[in-house]
Amino acid sequence: ILNVEQSPQSLHVQEGDSTNFTCSFPSSNFYALHWYRWETAKSPEALFVMTLNGDEKKKGRISATLNTKEGYSYLYIKGSQPEDSATYLCALKTSYDKVIFGPGTSLSVIP
Amino acid sequence: NAGVTQTPKFRVLKTGQSMTLLCAQDMNHEYMYWYRQDPGMGLRLIHYSVGEGTTAKGEVPDGYNVSRLKKQNFLLGLESAAPSQTSVYFCASSSRDYTGELFFGEGSRLTVL
Repeated sequence: ILNVEQSPQSLHVQEGDSTNFTCSFPSSNFYALHWYRWETAKSPEALFVMTLNGDEKKKGRISATLNTKEGYSYLYIKGSQPEDSATYLCALKTSYDKVIFGPGTSLSVIP
Repeated sequence: NAGVTQTPKFRVLKTGQSMTLLCAQDMNHEYMYWYRQDPGMGLRLIHYSVGEGTTAKGEVPDGYNVSRLKKQNFLLGLESAAPSQTSVYFCASSSRDYTGELFFGEGSRLTVL
């Protein structure tokens, strides 16, 4: 079973700080890498879907990069705000139908 | 637009009882998934389906059964509930697009005493 890892497990930052998390995986044989944002008491929602080595996505203050050769993806948040507090999940679409999640990184932004 | 709907939202069971969780989606998605969420472990895939009448095992399938009799519905069954099955269960669906972004239901919290 493919093991998707995320680090750190949790993170506390001050409002205005920039931060980043890592998703790592052992294989480059996959269809897509997903990043989801999961707020407390809500459902996970997709942030980015990444498919190519060197792929880079951006949505406002949040961006993500993917390096399939070395097996990692970074999620960056510039100028963190309290509303960014959530758990960020990385998931790998390992075949045309199966999606496996990492354990997540919990972010708390302190006002 | 309902998206993905799970019922029930909450349930308390005694050990050995059976129950079924229903997931319904109105997006005409081919693929549907059941995950369980436990503290520190993220989302673990229980079973999934790539179309009506088909199901497959995920990472943690033991103790669960599923059925996909209609394209829009995906049922998760517990034949004999155990305390280890206390968890929050999430259903998700996606299109057949190879990138496969998942759309999630609101979750069902199950407690087995």
